[in-house]
Amino acid sequence: AQTVTQSQPEMSVQEAETVTLSCTYDTSESDYYLFWYKQPPSRQMILVIRQEAYKQQNATENRFSVNFQKAAKSFSLKISDSQLGDAAMYFCAAPSGSARQLTFGSGTQLTVLP
Amino acid sequence: ETGVTQTPRHLVMGMTNKKSLKCEQHLGHNAMYWYKQSAKKPLELMFVYNFKEQTENNSVPSRFSPECPNSSHLFLHLHTLQPEDSALYLCASSQDWTSGGSFTDTQYFGPGTRLTVL
Repeated sequence: AQTVTQSQPEMSVQEAETVTLSCTYDTSESDYYLFWYKQPPSRQMILVIRQEAYKQQNATENRFSVNFQKAAKSFSLKISDSQLGDAAMYFCAAPSGSARQLTFGSGTQLTVLP
Repeated sequence: ETGVTQTPRHLVMGMTNKKSLKCEQHLGHNAMYWYKQSAKKPLELMFVYNFKEQTENNSVPSRFSPECPNSSHLFLHLHTLQPEDSALYLCASSQDWTSGGSFTDTQYFGPGTRLTVL
């Protein structure tokens, strides 16, 4: 079974500080993408960042970056200079099986403290 | 209108009603997806369409019936639902799988339909 595990159901960070959200996955694919999405209270799923598994360089999008460890099947999200608007549920997603599906983790609820 | 839109945003229905959810994407994609998001559970993939052809049905009960008339529109027809079907239903789209799109291309989501079954 293809699984995606987010071991931190809840996290909190002080405004302007840095926080790291963890994700591990299990896939038999050799070439794939990994994703982090955020879901604010509006419930809109918004793409945060995407990592291509064949690239060794970690993806970065402004204040968001990933630490991708392919051998360990680990894909953590680092948020720098946290802002109040970063408060949301964050989901990690990885491919599952041969049907081009994505499996989503159970999510990490991030609270940003003023 | 940009991105992925879904209507209605909220729906309350009785168990004997028939209703439909609509999804429309304006991104030029050819793959579309229905997901169910229940409280305290991860997103569950329900159906996948690629170039209007259904490619995945993840053991979804027959009271959910998808329809994809073209690559821009996706419907989810609902009939004789159960209270446990109450959830947020999310539609997503991505690039098709035959034009050089990579495996599990980025999916872009609509705002969802909050469904309550009484």
